[in-house]
Amino acid sequence: IAGITQAPTSQILAAGRRMTLRCTQDMRHNAMYWYRQDLGLGLRLIHYSNTAGTTGKGEVPDGYSVSRANTDDFPLTLASAVPSQTSVYFCASSRNIQETQYFGPGTRLLVL
Amino acid sequence: SQELEQSPQSLIVQEGKNLTINCTSSKTLYGLYWYKQKYGEGLIFLMMLQKGGEEKSHEKITAKLDEKKQQSSLHITASQPSHAGIYLCGASRGGSQGNLIFGKGTKLSVKP
Repeated sequence: IAGITQAPTSQILAAGRRMTLRCTQDMRHNAMYWYRQDLGLGLRLIHYSNTAGTTGKGEVPDGYSVSRANTDDFPLTLASAVPSQTSVYFCASSRNIQETQYFGPGTRLLVL
Repeated sequence: SQELEQSPQSLIVQEGKNLTINCTSSKTLYGLYWYKQKYGEGLIFLMMLQKGGEEKSHEKITAKLDEKKQQSSLHITASQPSHAGIYLCGASRGGSQGNLIFGKGTKLSVKP
C-alpha cells in the first residue's frame, strides 16, 4: 500500500441500508479526515480524528459515524443511508493537524 | 466564517498559453493549499503557502500569496494538456479540527 486507499471505489446502495466506507493509510499520519464533495457545494468535512482513539464532528456529521481504533484505519459508517448522502467521499490524512493533507482516490456512492 | 472565492470558475486555453487562477479569502490566510483534481479522481497536493509574499514553483506551476495574506494566485506557464483538471484552493481553519475549507474550484481545459 502506498499513501491512502479507499474502498469500495463505487457503490449503489438502497435507502435504509447500512454501509461502511473504508480508509487506510500507510504513512503513520496522526490526523485523518472524511470529506464529501457535491456539485456546487465543494468539499465539506464530515468527521475528523486528530489521533488514534479520538474523533470529532465536522461541518456535516449528521447520519455518519466514525471510529479510529488504530493509526492506519478510519472507517466511515452510514447507519441508514438516505438519498441526500449520494456523493463522492474522500478520506484524507496529515502528519498532524494543521499540516498538509493527502487525499485518497474517493468513493462514489449512489443511494436510491 | 471564512469563505474562499476562486476565479474564474472555468477556463479554456490553447496549449502553450499562460494562465492564472485566483483564490480570495474574506479573512487572513494562515495556510493556503493548492490541489489539482482530475475528473473522477482524488486531490493531488501541489503547493502550500504560509508567509505573506511567499512564492513557490514546481515545474511550470507557480503559486503566490500576497503580502496581506488574503489572496493567492496559481500561474501556469506554457500550458499543456496534462495541466487540464480542476484546481482547488484550500485554507486551514485553525483550531483543533485542522480541516481545510475549499473554494469551489476552477475547471481548466487545455486545447491541443
